[in-house]
Amino acid sequence: SQQGEEDPQALSIQEGENATMNCSYKTSINNLQWYRQNSGRGLVHLILIRSNEREKHSGRLRVTLDTSKKSSSLLITASRAADTASYFCATDASGGYQKVTFGTGTKLQVIP
Amino acid sequence: DTAVSQTPKYLVTQMGNDKSIKCEQNLGHDTMYWYKQDSKKFLKIMFSYNNKELIINETVPNRFSPKSPDKAHLNLHINSLELGDSAVYFCASSQAGGGKETQYFGPGTRLLVL
Repeated sequence: SQQGEEDPQALSIQEGENATMNCSYKTSINNLQWYRQNSGRGLVHLILIRSNEREKHSGRLRVTLDTSKKSSSLLITASRAADTASYFCATDASGGYQKVTFGTGTKLQVIP
Repeated sequence: DTAVSQTPKYLVTQMGNDKSIKCEQNLGHDTMYWYKQDSKKFLKIMFSYNNKELIINETVPNRFSPKSPDKAHLNLHINSLELGDSAVYFCASSQAGGGKETQYFGPGTRLLVL
């Protein structure tokens, strides 16, 4: 299975601290995406990183990709209470068609 | 304006019943998806359609039948509902298929089978 696994499963930090979540996957990929899911809502796309990219930034988000280790990390800097949500990585396997596989998710709680 | 909408938002029904969930996207996307999210938040793709044509059909019981009357709509019909079907079902769309495109998700339909 290509399913990614996020680590940690749950993370609780104080507002203002940085939060780091990791994603590991099993087979070669074309792209890796990160999504956020607020409680009771659908997923919202955050950032996409291609397999030939190593790092990408978007606002307070920083994503890294290490294809040799088949892993990615999502860093949220200066966290806010509104960042409280579950975060999922999603990968598409090389050679695959239209199938994106989501990881198991990290539940982040930011305490005000 | 809701980009991807689903109805109903909540669905409570008895085992053995047949139910449908509707999905519409107004983004002009060519590809639509159905996902199932279980109680452990594991999100698994069920079906994917591109321009009304079935592209992905994961290992899903044939009690689940998707229907795409046009590329803006992808409905999910479930026959003979079972307890294990209880989950949150998400519809999503993207401009094209594959992982290079952002997927836009609907708000989800919470199905509870009693």
